[in-house]
Amino acid sequence: GAGVSQSPSNKVTEKGKDVELRCDPISGHTALYWYRQRLGQGLEFLIYFQGNSAPDKSGLPSDRFSAERTGESVSTLTIQRTQQEDSAVYLCASSFNSNQPQHFGDGTRLSIL
Amino acid sequence: RKEVEQDPGPFNVPEGATVAFNCTYSNSASQSFFWYRQDCRKEPKLLMSVYSSGNEDGRFTAQLNRASQYISLLIRDSKLSDSATYLCVVNPPGGGNKLTFGTGTQLKVEL
Repeated sequence: GAGVSQSPSNKVTEKGKDVELRCDPISGHTALYWYRQRLGQGLEFLIYFQGNSAPDKSGLPSDRFSAERTGESVSTLTIQRTQQEDSAVYLCASSFNSNQPQHFGDGTRLSIL
Repeated sequence: RKEVEQDPGPFNVPEGATVAFNCTYSNSASQSFFWYRQDCRKEPKLLMSVYSSGNEDGRFTAQLNRASQYISLLIRDSKLSDSATYLCVVNPPGGGNKLTFGTGTQLKVEL
């Protein structure tokens, strides 16, 4: 079946602009995660959604970052007033529930000029 | 101390060699453990979960030592296609499966 789908694959934008990244999880997966991976570094947890519970936003680096998820489907990660340090690959993952392994999408490569 | 530490490598080994990676984690209450594989400019892919009793999947063997807080991955009869970065991943306590990733160990298998 289809895996986790992310769009766009690449995004180049100017400093100060807002960007919106999209994630379509695997159908039936109740848990959805966003991570960030800067060049040469490990993945950093950003935010986690589980079903209809309040999201765990403990990894968001600043109030410029926000994310939404409608039910158990698509999620969007929004970065407002982008800065150069926001340049990274943003990875989305989903799992059947919070106890199961996570499966990742291809990521969105974000470059801030 | 980092939450998950790995030797970055690279490990350069000839085809057919056996290679082992170790990883240490700081939180003794961590609940579950995984090895992921990440190819250059690609997303991480689950290689295997790591169980206390140790587990094997073909040429790959993973072991967990809770007392010493380390995890290992052994690759036997390495193939060129095994060249990748191997990520040690820990699920810390607190629920939610918010995985903590090591920075990865790079493996290069050569002819």
